Amino acid sequence: GQNIDQPTEMTATEGAIVQINCTYQTSGFNGLFWYQQHAGEAPTFLSYNVLDGLEEKGRFSSFLSRSKGYSYLLLKELQMKDSASYLCAVRDPNTDKLIFGTGTRLQVFP
Amino acid sequence: GAVVSQHPSWVICKSGTSVKIECRSLDFQATTMFWYRQFPKQSLMLMATSNEGSKATYEQGVEKDKFLINHASLTLSTLTVTSAHPEDSSFYICSPNNIAGNNEQFFGPGTRLTVL
Repeated sequence: GQNIDQPTEMTATEGAIVQINCTYQTSGFNGLFWYQQHAGEAPTFLSYNVLDGLEEKGRFSSFLSRSKGYSYLLLKELQMKDSASYLCAVRDPNTDKLIFGTGTRLQVFP
Repeated sequence: GAVVSQHPSWVICKSGTSVKIECRSLDFQATTMFWYRQFPKQSLMLMATSNEGSKATYEQGVEKDKFLINHASLTLSTLTVTSAHPEDSSFYICSPNNIAGNNEQFFGPGTRLTVL
């Protein structure tokens, strides 16, 4: 089966740092994606990891450990507009389809 | 990023009617189109995968006769919800596969379907 798990909800304070974890057990792996989704809108691409290590892009960083089936998204200098759902997705190597995790709803408070 | 459009952005229909949703990739060609749906407060669930010029492959539990997918060209795919019922009310999102091999996977803006 395919299992991709994330915490359901997280809260944080404006200006802080938050780490959103994602663990996966899939039959294949060809990269892990992170998306941001605001209510009523489509997901927006944030990052892609296929090799182990940390990818940094501005305030957002994403880490991958393939041996552990683990990734995290790190958000620094949190802003109110970062309140959204964050979706982790694994790409199937045979079909290229993305299998999504349960999603994490992040609320940023002033 | 790549531009993907969907039409309509929202639709309200009566139970029993059919609704067609169009997805266009505006600045690249997509040999494959993924169709997802998302119920409130849930994550995206893949419904089907279509390849240009061939039949779609449906995920387990998705009725192929109810959700008709046509992928007639490299820039257009359509999803028709036939005989819609209130339980089909959802957010439908398309995602074309960029044949340029870019590792970014983009999504259309989504279509909000409400069946009364």
